[in-house]
Amino acid sequence: QKEVEQDPGPLSVPEGAIVSLNCTYSNSAFQYFMWYRQYSRKGPELLMYTYSSGNKEDGRFTAQVDKSSKYISLFIRDSQPSDSATYLCAMKGGNEKLTFGTGTRLTIIP
Amino acid sequence: GAVVSQHPSWVICKSGTSVKIECRSLDFQATTMFWYRQFPKQSLMLMATSNEGSKATYEQGVEKDKFLINHASLTLSTLTVTSAHPEDSSFYICSASRTGEVPLHFGNGTRLTVT
Repeated sequence: QKEVEQDPGPLSVPEGAIVSLNCTYSNSAFQYFMWYRQYSRKGPELLMYTYSSGNKEDGRFTAQVDKSSKYISLFIRDSQPSDSATYLCAMKGGNEKLTFGTGTRLTIIP
Repeated sequence: GAVVSQHPSWVICKSGTSVKIECRSLDFQATTMFWYRQFPKQSLMLMATSNEGSKATYEQGVEKDKFLINHASLTLSTLTVTSAHPEDSSFYICSASRTGEVPLHFGNGTRLTVT
């Protein structure tokens, strides 16, 4: 079993829709939870960063962490074609190493 | 904001040759740099962690003699793929962070093609 599970998609939604992206994990030691956006042939770009359980909102993006269920989510409101990318969840425990999900390829259809 | 620069962005080399990839932190001192490898439609796989002035720590299954990492200064780490083979063709990405910080900043990656 992988430490971090993420549905690879692809996921296609119409412009303006709410997008829900999710990851599950098995390592209870994970404390920091990140979402990265990666455009084709580019490095990952940090979108959201959450410590422990709870919600965090930044503009159209909301990150949720439920440590009891070992489940994290990223919501994108009013999705735009420019949001089309691969979204990677990542987690870390007490050391500096990140463990990534496989990424979900998202396409927003104009 | 903080920026990590990676060079070259793409490189084609012949089998048996060596290729060096540079990763620079442009406006902060990176005590730790990470090197990842990413295959098409797959996630980032950590290859090694390097701390300035010390030997890199390689992940299980990564050949340290093949993937040479040098972190000689707080702003520069290099990855050298030695005696490259076609199976080494991949997208290599670095990230940099300060001590205790979440690795927030990634380079734009280097696409290596070995012919």
